[in-house]
Amino acid sequence: AQTVTQSQPEMSVQEAETVTLSCTYDTSESDYYLFWYKQPPSRQMILVIRQEAYKQQNATENRFSVNFQKAAKSFSLKISDSQLGDAAMYFCAYNRDQFYFGTGTSLTVIP
Amino acid sequence: GAVVSQHPSWVICKSGTSVKIECRSLDFQATTMFWYRQFPKQSLMLMATSNEGSKATYEQGVEKDKFLINHASLTLSTLTVTSAHPEDSSFYICSARDGGTDYQPQHFGDGTRLSIL
Repeated sequence: AQTVTQSQPEMSVQEAETVTLSCTYDTSESDYYLFWYKQPPSRQMILVIRQEAYKQQNATENRFSVNFQKAAKSFSLKISDSQLGDAAMYFCAYNRDQFYFGTGTSLTVIP
Repeated sequence: GAVVSQHPSWVICKSGTSVKIECRSLDFQATTMFWYRQFPKQSLMLMATSNEGSKATYEQGVEKDKFLINHASLTLSTLTVTSAHPEDSSFYICSARDGGTDYQPQHFGDGTRLSIL
């Protein structure tokens, strides 16, 4: 089974500042997808961003961007101009035949 | 975007009761749906993969007779927790893929909070 590691159980960021959440994964495959999901207190899983492994260009969605390092098997999420609504659990996920989720990072946004 | 509806959102029932949770893809067809279980402050644990028209594939350690899955149509999968006991109390989430390939993102239902007294 693939493993996805999020080494930061908790992170905090000042409102309007930038924060980076780390994620590493283990795979022997060359084609796969990576995702970041957000789970606010309502516990709904919300797709934040996704990255195709065959694309070298890092994905960007408004204030959210990733740093995808395929050789290092690293997939970090950068949140710019943090907002109070960004506070949530963030899960990194690897997908090829099925999804594998990391253990999550709890992000607190300080006003 | 793709919407997955999960019902009910919260169930409280007595020990020994069987509980059915429904997962529907509202605006797309899903040949495959997934059922997860999530304990507080933990990640999602895949329980089983639900395949339309065939038997579900269960993950190791998940009791097939305890967690019955039926995927009778392209838009509906159900999870029945049979003879539920307090240790079955948890948050259950379903998801579905929009599209035929394995690489599409999963769209999640809002989850069901199950409390067994």
